[in-house]
Amino acid sequence: SYEMTQPPSKSVSPGQTASITCSGDKLGDKYVSWYQQKPGQSPILVIFQDNRRPSGIPERFSGSNSGNTATLTISGTQAVDEADYYCQAWDTSIVIFGGGTKLTVL
Amino acid sequence: QVHLVQSGAEVKKPGSSVKVSCKASGDTFSNYAIGWVRQAPGQGLEWMGGIIPMSGTANQTQKFQGRVTINADASTRTVYMELTSLSSADTAVYYCASAEMAAIYQSDFYMGVWGKGTTVTVSS
Repeated sequence: SYEMTQPPSKSVSPGQTASITCSGDKLGDKYVSWYQQKPGQSPILVIFQDNRRPSGIPERFSGSNSGNTATLTISGTQAVDEADYYCQAWDTSIVIFGGGTKLTVL
Repeated sequence: QVHLVQSGAEVKKPGSSVKVSCKASGDTFSNYAIGWVRQAPGQGLEWMGGIIPMSGTANQTQKFQGRVTINADASTRTVYMELTSLSSADTAVYYCASAEMAAIYQSDFYMGVWGKGTTVTVSS
């Protein structure tokens, strides 16, 4: 079965750029979405189709996907961005999630 | 956009079953597929399966085959997920989420709207 790998954690200073990676075999051939989840809350879609932002998601969130790696980039990271982030793809009609990355802003 | 309201928390005994509902309102129901994702305490998101309510076409991951049933009542815009033979490992928050059919036709599946989750606790 298809697998996607994320780093378990990442730290970033406020105002800096955070890049969270998601790796999988030929991942660039699939669409990748990203979700943000804060403690006790439902996930929120922040990026879909590799690099598109849903309405209401700040411009500081962007995405890319090429080769074996998709990347979620948060520019000018703010304290409110501290959360768990999950990548997601679709393979043979099955949804696959990465293991999640805990982003700490400090 | 669609809005999803899930049924309330459940406490179940090992070996029993649980049925969680997800009622949609707002946008045209036929524009969406509904998926089920669960999250065990302190763990990541886990896909269980999904359904296209208007056709009734459903699938689930191999892990849950034989134990999960996903169906829909289009007349009430409600999707159901039933999980049988519960064990403590099934203690989790269960989310329903919607995916646009337009994206699925383009070989993509992303979930733009999520329910608030249903906590299922399995304990003797």
